[in-house]
Amino acid sequence: GQQVMQIPQYQHVQEGEDFTTYCNSSTTLSNIQWYKQRPGGHPVFLIQLVKSGEVKKQKRLTFQFGEAKKNSSLHITATQTTDVGTYFCAPRTSGTYKYIFGTGTRLKVLA
Amino acid sequence: ETGVTQSPTHLIKTRGQQVTLRCSSQSGHNTVSWYQQALGQGPQFIFQYYREEENGRGNFPPRFSGLQFPNYSSELNVNALELDDSALYLCASSQPWGSDEQFFGPGTRLTVL
Repeated sequence: GQQVMQIPQYQHVQEGEDFTTYCNSSTTLSNIQWYKQRPGGHPVFLIQLVKSGEVKKQKRLTFQFGEAKKNSSLHITATQTTDVGTYFCAPRTSGTYKYIFGTGTRLKVLA
Repeated sequence: ETGVTQSPTHLIKTRGQQVTLRCSSQSGHNTVSWYQQALGQGPQFIFQYYREEENGRGNFPPRFSGLQFPNYSSELNVNALELDDSALYLCASSQPWGSDEQFFGPGTRLTVL
């Protein structure tokens, strides 16, 4: 079955440093969603990528979908303490309707 | 707030018992997906309901079952509870035509003793 790995598992950064999490799938994806989950909270939708090589930006966040549609990344520029949480990718395999959440990257930002 | 509500917030059961969790989807959303999230893990897809029909299922045994009602609210039923069923159960509503964005509810924390 489909496997979705995210690296790194944990990341501690100083406030102001950049952060990147990578999502890799064993199968070709139809699309991919990214979510953020604050400690004690529920996942909150950030973005959806559909096209091969797509790049989308939301303020300090940059999302990229790989050319082969098997991987994706989320980059945060100049992290802030409000960025703390776990970031999940959730890809959907072509021909299916279910989203398989990745293992997540837990981000801690030190002030 | 997403407009997705879940009840109850917390629940404590013992092994072998049965539990029903409820979810009200966001207005206008006809699709509800249920996820199980163990501590420190990512959400695991249980199943999805679209217009009252099961639309897909993850790797969960048949003792996990569900329903969707005409108003698109949904229930998750778990029979013969096991200790490993202890987790946060999340429902997410979406409108598959369009952005496909999933709106998650706050979850139900189930503890099985």
